[in-house]
Amino acid sequence: QKEVEQNSGPLSVPEGAIASLNCTYSDRGSQSFFWYRQYSGKSPELIMSIYSNGDKEDGRFTAQLNKASQYVSLLIRDSQPSDSATYLCAATASGGSYIPTFGRGTSLIVHP
Amino acid sequence: EAQVTQNPRYLITVTGKKLTVTCSQNMNHEYMSWYRQDPGLGLRQIYYSMNVEVTDKGDVPEGYKVSRKEKRNFPLILESPSPNQTSLYFCASRPEQFYGYTFGSGTRLTVV
Repeated sequence: QKEVEQNSGPLSVPEGAIASLNCTYSDRGSQSFFWYRQYSGKSPELIMSIYSNGDKEDGRFTAQLNKASQYVSLLIRDSQPSDSATYLCAATASGGSYIPTFGRGTSLIVHP
Repeated sequence: EAQVTQNPRYLITVTGKKLTVTCSQNMNHEYMSWYRQDPGLGLRQIYYSMNVEVTDKGDVPEGYKVSRKEKRNFPLILESPSPNQTSLYFCASRPEQFYGYTFGSGTRLTVV
């Protein structure tokens, strides 16, 4: 069973702080990793994709991948109340049609 | 605007009455999927399609059918809905197997 594990939270951070969201995956052959943001009652929105070890930065977001440790993280710098949402981590399965497995999400609350 | 369009957004139906949830994408994407999202269980894949006339079961296919007669459309059919199919449903598409998904706005289904 291929699994993606996330702490459900909530993770509470003050406005302006760095929010750190973490995710581990069980399928060592996974090749593509994604972070989605989902506001309450809305659909998931893709915010970051990462494919190789190291960091990938996009604006206030940084995704980090460590395949040896099977670990993916998302850093949100200068957190804003509008970042309050559930963040879903996904990893594509190895082989076949590369179907992504989603974690259950981490709830982030940014308080003023 | 590039998007995945689902209809209807909300649906209340009775047990056993066949229904179809439509999904259409205008991005010429090869891959399309249906997910259901339930509290505490996260996103679970129902069916996916890698191209026209190519579909396969996901993790929770029981009670659902799909078809992919055209590249842009991927309807979800519930032949005999039951209350345990009450859920939030998302259609999603992606261009290739290593890309992330674009999700539709969701369909909230209640079966009484």
